[in-house]
Amino acid sequence: GAVVSQHPSRVICKSGTSVKIECRSLDFQATTMFWYRQFPKQSLMLMATSNEGSKATYEQGVEKDKFLINHASLTLSTLTVTSAHPEDSSFYICSANSPVSGANVLTFGAGSRLTVL
Amino acid sequence: GQQLNQSPQSMFIQEGEDVSMNCTSSSIFNTWLWYKQDPGEGPVLLIALYKAGELTSNGRLTAQFGITRKDSFLNISASIPSDVGIYFCAGLNPGNQFYFGTGTSLTVIP
Repeated sequence: GAVVSQHPSRVICKSGTSVKIECRSLDFQATTMFWYRQFPKQSLMLMATSNEGSKATYEQGVEKDKFLINHASLTLSTLTVTSAHPEDSSFYICSANSPVSGANVLTFGAGSRLTVL
Repeated sequence: GQQLNQSPQSMFIQEGEDVSMNCTSSSIFNTWLWYKQDPGEGPVLLIALYKAGELTSNGRLTAQFGITRKDSFLNISASIPSDVGIYFCAGLNPGNQFYFGTGTSLTVIP
């Protein structure tokens, strides 16, 4: 089945530093990937749609200069949290449109827990 | 992004009981998906539904695509402790956009 690998699973960084999170589709090509943020006991909040070879589409209220998204290949999208601050601490999850039995479903990565000190 | 109405928000049940949760929307969807998320993990697909009226099972789980295309439900029969987690519905609309439910937190008491 379709597998999405997300790395790192946990990262702790100092305030002011930048952190990069990778999302890879392992056994399929993903022209579109999605990035979400999730607060404890809440649903997924879509941050942006990552499009291979073009600029990401950001949801309203998400700072594109703060959360840089690069989708340089059909199997890799990256999210960089720039100049991270404690309020950026959260669980970040990516997903990709993946073919399952000829139809589209979303396959999710395992998530990345970011803690900014 | 827009969210689907999912209920109940949380459930506390005894092991062995059946569980039912649903998602509703004011607009139609072409696909309904149900996911389970364990703490600290990403959501995992449980069941995918592609046609109005479709009823699909996956072990003790059963889900249905509502006939109006605006709702879906998920049933879990004979719950066990490992069913604990947060369950999300997701819908794919005719514009190829995914929307998510607000989640149902399930606690199973042994």
